[in-house]
Amino acid sequence: GESVGLHLPTLSVQEGDNSIINCAYSNSASDYFIWYKQESGKGPQFIIDIRSNMDKRQGQRVTVLLNKTVKHLSLQIAATQPGDSAVYFCAEDNYGQNFVFGPGTRLSVLP
Amino acid sequence: DVKVTQSSRYLVKRTGEKVFLECVQDMDHENMFWYRQDPGLGLRLIYFSYDVKMKEKGDIPEGYSVSREKKERFSLILESASTNQTSMYLCASSWGGTGANIQYFGAGTRLSVL
Repeated sequence: GESVGLHLPTLSVQEGDNSIINCAYSNSASDYFIWYKQESGKGPQFIIDIRSNMDKRQGQRVTVLLNKTVKHLSLQIAATQPGDSAVYFCAEDNYGQNFVFGPGTRLSVLP
Repeated sequence: DVKVTQSSRYLVKRTGEKVFLECVQDMDHENMFWYRQDPGLGLRLIYFSYDVKMKEKGDIPEGYSVSREKKERFSLILESASTNQTSMYLCASSWGGTGANIQYFGAGTRLSVL
């Protein structure tokens, strides 16, 4: 079946720097994408979503970019803070029924 | 805020035991899901349900069953627990309707089968 993957399993950034977390997807028909954040000992938490008719969407300190040509999704976090340390998942709409989740990228924020 | 509550954070069971994992959501969501999460494998869908008494197999249903007798409650059942079912189990819920919608997750149940 279709799958969603991540380029990097771990990412370390300095506090205050911007973070970019990448995701490759394989189903060109996917219509909807979500980024989740999972802190240690907690369930995944919704961060931001984007539909395929958009290239960019901004939230509070986060931006999601969608490049349909190369089937690539990225999450940008501005001015990364210690509280941003977590595992980040992208999720791809699976034919409108549910989602396919990537394996996750662990973001570590260095003091 | 949406709240998805899983009855146990940690469970330790023995091989062969019947295990029930309970999940309750308070937002009147039509859809509910059970996933397991293993290191390096991400979230894998076990079962999901679009309505009361309805269930659909996900990607890895073998060894599991589910029950949805009430809209707010979705139970995952391990008929005879095995060591390879040691994992983190996550429940989620979402609105129904056309297309996939944001899934809201519980805190998870970490199950150890000895």
